[in-house]
Amino acid sequence: EIVLTQSPGTLSLSPGERATLSCRASQSIISTYLAWYQQKPGQAPRLLIYDISTRATGIPDRFSGSGSGTDFTLTISRLEREDFAVYYCQQYGSSPRTFGQGTKLEIK
Amino acid sequence: EVQLVESGGGLVQPGRSLRLSCKVSGFNFGDYGMSWVRQAPGKGLEWVGFIRNKGYGETIGYAASVKDRFIISRDDSNNIAYLQMNSLKTEDTALYYCTRDHGWLLAYWGQGTLVTVSS
Repeated sequence: EIVLTQSPGTLSLSPGERATLSCRASQSIISTYLAWYQQKPGQAPRLLIYDISTRATGIPDRFSGSGSGTDFTLTISRLEREDFAVYYCQQYGSSPRTFGQGTKLEIK
Repeated sequence: EVQLVESGGGLVQPGRSLRLSCKVSGFNFGDYGMSWVRQAPGKGLEWVGFIRNKGYGETIGYAASVKDRFIISRDDSNNIAYLQMNSLKTEDTALYYCTRDHGWLLAYWGQGTLVTVSS
């Protein structure tokens, strides 16, 4: 099973700042099968990024994904208030599909 | 518009069974695989299992934590996916989401149904 470790656990930033979230895999993921999800309180997760760097439909271009092998990054270029949420990475190339434990992005 | 609506959650005693449903609309259900994901209160996401569509032989897979207790099925004529949960344990308490898959990607999510296992 591929274990995904996200860091930091909590990130405190102000609107307008740049956010960098990390996701490290215990072994190389298959192909480019790495996704990021956003979850706001009381809501279901929403797909943000798939195939490491492809934005899902309707996701603004301030969100970007990068990385390869075992190290991946979600970057939010300029934070808006609506971006403060929990973010999960997930690999979907091998079974079982696994998630990171999440990074909480909170307003400073 | 893609919609997934879960139902069937509730309070159940340990050892008992419960069946969750996921009714979908806005797309051709038979063309897609479906998955279930759960989230224990205040915790992260855990993939539970999947069922592929007829084109892929309705292949099914489960997480180790639920294998041999949970059964995933689908009814393409009524656009419903099911999660039959047997021998429930207190650690199965969670919000259960169904998802529409795109390949192996969890592309669209329902709002979830809460299952509480407690005596």
